[in-house]
Amino acid sequence: AQTVTQSQPEMSVQEAETVTLSCTYDTSESDYYLFWYKQPPSRQMILVIRQEAYKQQNATENRFSVNFQKAAKSFSLKISDSQLGDAAMYFCAYRRPFQGAQKLVFGQGTRLTINP
Amino acid sequence: DTGVSQDPRHKITKRGQNVTFRCDPISEHNRLYWYRQTLGQGPEFLTYFQNEAQLEKSRLLSDRFSAERPKGSFSTLEIQRTEQGDSAMYLCASSPREGGSEQYFGPGTRLTVT
Repeated sequence: AQTVTQSQPEMSVQEAETVTLSCTYDTSESDYYLFWYKQPPSRQMILVIRQEAYKQQNATENRFSVNFQKAAKSFSLKISDSQLGDAAMYFCAYRRPFQGAQKLVFGQGTRLTINP
Repeated sequence: DTGVSQDPRHKITKRGQNVTFRCDPISEHNRLYWYRQTLGQGPEFLTYFQNEAQLEKSRLLSDRFSAERPKGSFSTLEIQRTEQGDSAMYLCASSPREGGSEQYFGPGTRLTVT
């Protein structure tokens, strides 16, 4: 079974600085999807960024980028120029690529605090 | 743009009572998912529907849990004979047909069993 591990329960960063959240996963599949989701306090979860395992290039979305190391099974999220609105729980998630395999497997989450 | 909605947002019930939650997905999404999230943890998958067919169920979904999506639109999740361990946030998500597409989450229903 696939597992996702986030080893940093909490992280904090000064506003405008850069922070990196770590995620490792375990799978025997060669193709899969990886996601970072953001869950602000008392608000619904939203997708931050997605990576397809077959793509060599790391995904980027504005201030958010990933460092995908397939051999190491590592998928970290870098947030540049941190803003107060980035404060949230961040979840790393894995999904198999097959048509019938739809469930997301989530890590335990990292609570990110932004210090003004 | 109407997102995924869930009702109720909060539910407090006594142990042993039955509860039912509703999820309305984004209208053009044919896939619907239920997850459970306990405090300080990531969501755990419960079940998945494609249209009205329930295609996957987690072993977390005991016999006391049942989910339906009768017309391929909204879905209900019922918990019978609730236990204190059922206290959690129940999240619904939906996604369109394309593989690899993201799942859009609703705000969740927070269940407290006293």
